[in-house]
Amino acid sequence: AQSVTQLDSHVSVSEGTPVLLRCNYSSSYSPSLFWYVQHPNKGLQLLLKYTSAATLVKGINGFEAEFKKSETSFHLTKPSAHMSDAAEYFCVVSFTGGGNKLTFGTGTQLKVEL
Amino acid sequence: EAQVTQNPRYLITVTGKKLTVTCSQNMNHEYMSWYRQDPGLGLRQIYYSMNVEVTDKGDVPEGYKVSRKEKRNFPLILESPSPNQTSLYFCASSLSGAGGNYGYTFGSGTRLTVV
Repeated sequence: AQSVTQLDSHVSVSEGTPVLLRCNYSSSYSPSLFWYVQHPNKGLQLLLKYTSAATLVKGINGFEAEFKKSETSFHLTKPSAHMSDAAEYFCVVSFTGGGNKLTFGTGTQLKVEL
Repeated sequence: EAQVTQNPRYLITVTGKKLTVTCSQNMNHEYMSWYRQDPGLGLRQIYYSMNVEVTDKGDVPEGYKVSRKEKRNFPLILESPSPNQTSLYFCASSLSGAGGNYGYTFGSGTRLTVV
């Protein structure tokens, strides 16, 4: 069975400081990993995905994530937060042969303060 | 524009009154799925479809039905809605059943309230 744990339900940062959103996964097979962002009253938008190519994945809006197999982690980072980054972020896992099923983490609410 | 379109965006209904939430995609995607989002639980899969006439249960299928008669449409049917089905619903589609190597496109969501 596969699962995803987002270690922080809420993260608060000041504008211009780094962002770190933590995600650990469990999967019996080689996983595909995603980060999605959901702005208030909006649908989910794909930020980036890892599918067994380079372990450091760059996404949109300056976000990136590093796949660390030994730590079963896929943390999302950004060097400098912007007010527009305030949103809820979901770490998601799926694996080949899993019927295309996505398993979502419970989400991390990112707050960006002036 | 490539997109997944859900209707309605908001719906308030009464217990037991059958309703349908429509989902349509214009990307010729094979795979479609329905999720519900509840606070503190993330998104949970209700049903999914790998192709036309092929549907299967997700994690929380009770109280829901789906059909996939055409590739582009994947309606979600609540035959007898109950208050515990009050939630935010998302439809998603993906190019194929390749285990998630492709990105998923989500609709804008349907906020359902059952009173």
